[in-house]
Amino acid sequence: GESVGLHLPTLSVQEGDNSIINCAYSNSASDYFIWYKQESGKGPQFIIDIRSNMDKRQGQRVTVLLNKTVKHLSLQIAATQPGDSAVYFCAEGGNKLVFGAGTILRVKS
Amino acid sequence: GAGVSQTPSNKVTEKGKYVELRCDPISGHTALYWYRQSLGQGPEFLIYFQGTGAADDSGLPNDRFFAVRPEGSVSTLKIQRTERGDSAVYLCASSLTGMPPGGELFFGEGSRLTVL
Repeated sequence: GESVGLHLPTLSVQEGDNSIINCAYSNSASDYFIWYKQESGKGPQFIIDIRSNMDKRQGQRVTVLLNKTVKHLSLQIAATQPGDSAVYFCAEGGNKLVFGAGTILRVKS
Repeated sequence: GAGVSQTPSNKVTEKGKYVELRCDPISGHTALYWYRQSLGQGPEFLIYFQGTGAADDSGLPNDRFFAVRPEGSVSTLKIQRTERGDSAVYLCASSLTGMPPGGELFFGEGSRLTVL
């Protein structure tokens, strides 16, 4: 779905634990998906992307999983650090990226 | 410059006034995007340029909004007769080739517009 207004879902994790952030996308025809991280007062920053012909892609400390059957995308962050605290957005599409509403990640030291 | 630059970073204006927001993309990037982000929401697509031309302007909310990119580099987003509902952060992004893939979007820090 799209925006949930001001009440973004929040995930609180302990430093060093793994984080899993989930996203449901709307367009079954989308063939490209991206995760962005946005810190307060800054623009979104690219984390990792995946094409629809893949179901998993790994980066440095991050893994994206794609389940096209249920139109679900997840971002896994290993050994979460305080610097990972931010709002995370999934986005889908081609020339015109459509962003989800976002999830706040809070890392407790 | 090293990244996407947007000016002004903050703009406060009165209802009914005209505003211009400027975006200076990463040198050599042919694709340029404008998004609008309201508090607590994800960025919302406004318009996409490939070179000098608007390849997709389907996200512009109404005819008060207009954007140009006359030389294929710097872009200006223009808002006429501003309304309080236009208050948001306006984000610009550029990409080497456009999406997807290999056309990763690099975002600026945004211009925060407040309409009183």
